[in-house]
Amino acid sequence: GAVVSQHPSRVICKSGTSVKIECRSLDFQATTMFWYRQFPKQSLMLMATSNEGSKATYEQGVEKDKFLINHASLTLSTLTVTSAHPEDSSFYICSATNTDTQYFGPGTRLTVL
Amino acid sequence: QKEVEQDPGPLSVPEGAIVSLNCTYSNSAFQYFMWYRQYSRKGPELLMYTYSSGNKEDGRFTAQVDKSSKYISLFIRDSQPSDSATYLCAMSDSSYKLIFGSGTRLLVRP
Repeated sequence: GAVVSQHPSRVICKSGTSVKIECRSLDFQATTMFWYRQFPKQSLMLMATSNEGSKATYEQGVEKDKFLINHASLTLSTLTVTSAHPEDSSFYICSATNTDTQYFGPGTRLTVL
Repeated sequence: QKEVEQDPGPLSVPEGAIVSLNCTYSNSAFQYFMWYRQYSRKGPELLMYTYSSGNKEDGRFTAQVDKSSKYISLFIRDSQPSDSATYLCAMSDSSYKLIFGSGTRLLVRP
């Protein structure tokens, strides 16, 4: 199957700082990338959908000014959590697709102190 | 009511057992159905993908979709301890946005 990578795999930061997470499709060009958040023992919740070269579409309740998404190329999307707070601590997972199947990255665990 | 319902488990079975995992859904527009496996602190891994109704088999895994009942299943034959994980059903309409079930934790005992 297709390979999607995320970097970093784990990050710990102080409250008020910004954190950038990268998502890359390694062996295919992704027309669309998705960003999810997963809290412990819960399922994945879609945060936003991003298409290369256009603005991301955010799900209801997700603050677009807090979670900045950039999809600059067909293989790279970034999620920046701005002014992070402890309640933003979570497991962030991206997925990429160029058909009707989404391939997921390994996830990034964010801990905000 | 959630769009996709899935029993969270945990489901504990002995090695070699046949495992049955299920999801129900309410949105009749769903036409793409997937099963993902997620190990602890890892991203989901696609196991099975089915379009519309019917059965699909891949090795020890069989996926079934019954659109008339809005019910999907994943069967695992000859289960192994390495199958212990959380299994997530997911589905989408023509927008390709996935709606996930809450996941079922499976434990296969040696």
